[in-house]
Amino acid sequence: NAGVTQTPKFQVLKTGQSMTLQCAQDMNHNSMYWYRQDPGMGLRLIYYSASEGTTDKGEVPNGYNVSRLNKREFSLRLESAAPSQTSVYFCASSGGSLDRGSGNTIYFGEGSWLTVV
Amino acid sequence: GEDVEQSLFLSVREGDSSVINCTYTDSSSTYLYWYKQEPGAGLQLLTYIFSNMDMKQDQRLTVLLNKKDKHLSLRIADTQTGDSAIYFCAESMKYGKLIFGTGTRLQVFP
Repeated sequence: NAGVTQTPKFQVLKTGQSMTLQCAQDMNHNSMYWYRQDPGMGLRLIYYSASEGTTDKGEVPNGYNVSRLNKREFSLRLESAAPSQTSVYFCASSGGSLDRGSGNTIYFGEGSWLTVV
Repeated sequence: GEDVEQSLFLSVREGDSSVINCTYTDSSSTYLYWYKQEPGAGLQLLTYIFSNMDMKQDQRLTVLLNKKDKHLSLRIADTQTGDSAIYFCAESMKYGKLIFGTGTRLQVFP
């Protein structure tokens, strides 16, 4: 069972370079998310997609763009990487209804470790 | 606003019980979650509780919810070295978004 798969697992970028983190889920989930995890700050939501064709900003969207390519895939792009974007990035998905707090289990990928120098 | 708070560290002796606490601010959250993260790995859902419940037990895990005080706790009975990890509480928001706490690093020593 693949679940949520994200690539790459590790990446080092130079300031100003661009890159795209890829994420795919095979659970036919409607909702997908990108979080970043920083020491002492827990996980913060960057962007989410409640359904195919829609995307919305989370808590910390600045410096990022996303694409919900189809129901399976949700990519995160850094157009011009900055050292402040050094972090661990997690993609996640859930069955997700439109109700507040659906209780649907949210599944996480294994994480992508990004360093910007 | 939306804010979830946890203490950063907890150290317990193997075999003792661990209690990890969490406070949240959004009283309209319907579900509250506990996730476990081992070093270098993603997040694993441990358990969740619906907001109209006071307690949920699942093997060695007991979740207590005090909705009046917006306080959530996770008790791990007979804590083992394999329980050493970071534990995150999270509250659910619209579209299944989660707001996470800062995480509590549990260290279990022999």
